[in-house]
Amino acid sequence: DGGITQSPKYLFRKEGQNVTLSCEQNLNHDAMYWYRQDPGQGLRLIYYSQIVNDFQKGDIAEGYSVSREKKESFPLTVTSAQKNPTAFYLCASSSLSNPTDTQYFGPGTRLTVL
Amino acid sequence: RKEVEQDPGPFNVPEGATVAFNCTYSNSASQSFFWYRQDCRKEPKLLMSVYSSGNEDGRFTAQLNRASQYISLLIRDSKLSDSATYLCVVKSRTGGFKTIFGAGTRLFVKA
Repeated sequence: DGGITQSPKYLFRKEGQNVTLSCEQNLNHDAMYWYRQDPGQGLRLIYYSQIVNDFQKGDIAEGYSVSREKKESFPLTVTSAQKNPTAFYLCASSSLSNPTDTQYFGPGTRLTVL
Repeated sequence: RKEVEQDPGPFNVPEGATVAFNCTYSNSASQSFFWYRQDCRKEPKLLMSVYSSGNEDGRFTAQLNRASQYISLLIRDSKLSDSATYLCVVKSRTGGFKTIFGAGTRLFVKA
């Protein structure tokens, strides 16, 4: 069935290591997004992409990188330059054809830096 | 001022109570409005869209007041399973579509 998948569900990383979070969707959505959520806080936009091979920085892009080589996939790399990477990472996608279309989320990846 | 503001709560209510959440937005060009629900340690899920005429889905009623730039969510006959964080979401047309998520209001329904 259609939806958004993220893997892994839990991820542990040592300080100084880069790590890549996977996000795949089969909803044929044009736009994809990455958010970060810290405990008790709201969502903060890291990066978004509205078309293949193009993406834009969100509010907190420093220390992160993305790619959009395929419409279905939007992986996020958390680099060693990200000072406080421990957080819940959520990927979302949406259609762009209608202003009433909204975003749908994957189940998230919980990243812990040891 | 935040673009979308919500009372963070928490709201603690007994089962069967009626509870209302309000949300204000600052961009008068906002076009679409939604309420999401987020359970603890889970992803946000769309609860309902909010239309100008107001809309109802079972025990849930959403209202939009464009003049005052606020939206509301009313939950009647609260259930224990309604305990969650409720996110107000506003979509604006500013150089493409921009979606802003409120920080959420926590609801605890007690037996």
